[in-house]
Amino acid sequence: QSALTQPASVSGSPGQSITISCTGTSSDIGAYNYVSWYQHHPGKAPKILIYDVSQRPSGVSNRFSAAKSDNTASLTISGLQPEDEADYYCCSYARGVTWVFGGGTKLTVL
Amino acid sequence: EVQLVQSGAVVKKTGESLRISCYGSGYNFTNYLISWVRQMPGKGLEWMGRIDPTDSFTKYTTSLQGHVTIAVDTSAATAFLIWNRLTDSDSGMYYCARHRDAIRFDPWGQGTLVTVSS
Repeated sequence: QSALTQPASVSGSPGQSITISCTGTSSDIGAYNYVSWYQHHPGKAPKILIYDVSQRPSGVSNRFSAAKSDNTASLTISGLQPEDEADYYCCSYARGVTWVFGGGTKLTVL
Repeated sequence: EVQLVQSGAVVKKTGESLRISCYGSGYNFTNYLISWVRQMPGKGLEWMGRIDPTDSFTKYTTSLQGHVTIAVDTSAATAFLIWNRLTDSDSGMYYCARHRDAIRFDPWGQGTLVTVSS
């Protein structure tokens, strides 16, 4: 199972919006509405931001939103804040009862 | 509060065996799957495998099948990741994560750093 494809890095200034893409295949993202996104500050436990493509768990800011089209999912962060600087990973359930992560995107808040 | 607490960092030599643990608290441990996820140095997250504490049924990613074993002790609310023979390429950070609604990972443990050297 190959990793999902994410840009290695994105950047934005405080207050701006950025979007991170996540491209998979018809065996993972394209087959199921089970895409999730995780925020990972180095040295800490990853934290879930989005599940089931676009659902936000309670306690997650509405500045985080996500969507999916065919084999590509995307995460948008609006109103960038300094504390948003972290690594972001997409994840999809895949055929064979497995899960596949993206390679991760490093967000820099300028 | 639902928490997963992992065992501490460890340094081992190539060829040695290792077991790291993940203790779940604040919820009924047997009701939720547990997965292990690794992060090799400078790399992204990689799903390794998962276990159903109810019956210890496991599923592994193809590349790791036979190299690691995932187990549970339900009486201790603890999941384990086990190596019989470590290699240099096993060095990395290892996270356990609870499956919520069987699909999403929430919460995660704090991670266990494994360093393997020859």
